[in-house]
Amino acid sequence: GNSVTQMEGPVTLSEEAFLTINCTYTATGYPSLFWYVQYPGEGLQLLLKATKADDKGSNKGFEATYRKETTSFHLEKGSVQVSDSAVYFCALRTPGAGSYQLTFGKGTKLSVIP
Amino acid sequence: NAGVTQTPKFRVLKTGQSMTLLCAQDMNHEYMYWYRQDPGMGLRLIHYSVGEGTTAKGEVPDGYNVSRLKKQNFLLGLESAAPSQTSVYFCASSPLPGSNQPQHFGDGTRLSIL
Repeated sequence: GNSVTQMEGPVTLSEEAFLTINCTYTATGYPSLFWYVQYPGEGLQLLLKATKADDKGSNKGFEATYRKETTSFHLEKGSVQVSDSAVYFCALRTPGAGSYQLTFGKGTKLSVIP
Repeated sequence: NAGVTQTPKFRVLKTGQSMTLLCAQDMNHEYMYWYRQDPGMGLRLIHYSVGEGTTAKGEVPDGYNVSRLKKQNFLLGLESAAPSQTSVYFCASSPLPGSNQPQHFGDGTRLSIL
């Protein structure tokens, strides 16, 4: 079955530090890959996505590249801000049985300190 | 700009009580989903619906029932609440497959079973 493994947290960084959150996946077929972000007390919001191999998703300074050869979709940001403190979820979607459901990783909590 | 609205936002129940969580979306999406979020577990799919009048089981359906009588509403019911159902519940919706659009999430319902 499908699965997503992401870096255990929590992760604490100083403002302007470089961020990497690792994500690897197992899936049949050709999944689409997503990063969602959850700010405190809120639901999940789509951060970025990639739908085929070598695609790069980007948004708000965050980037992730769909690497089929390593089955990875690592999230990166060059300079984090305090406002980036949140929980980040890697997810995949493979069409099947009409559900188009998402399979999520367990989430990585990021705290950015001034 | 309502998107996906969940009610209530918080609820405390006693073991054995019943309740219904309501999810409403105003984006005319075909697909709707109910997830639960538990610490260290990510999000797990409870039930989903691919259209009005249809529902299907997800990864963790036991102890829950759902109904989709109207396209815009997706109800999650707990017939006899148990402490193991203490969790944060998220509803999501998405348009028809093939549109490559992400799932849109509500802000969650925090449910405690005593």
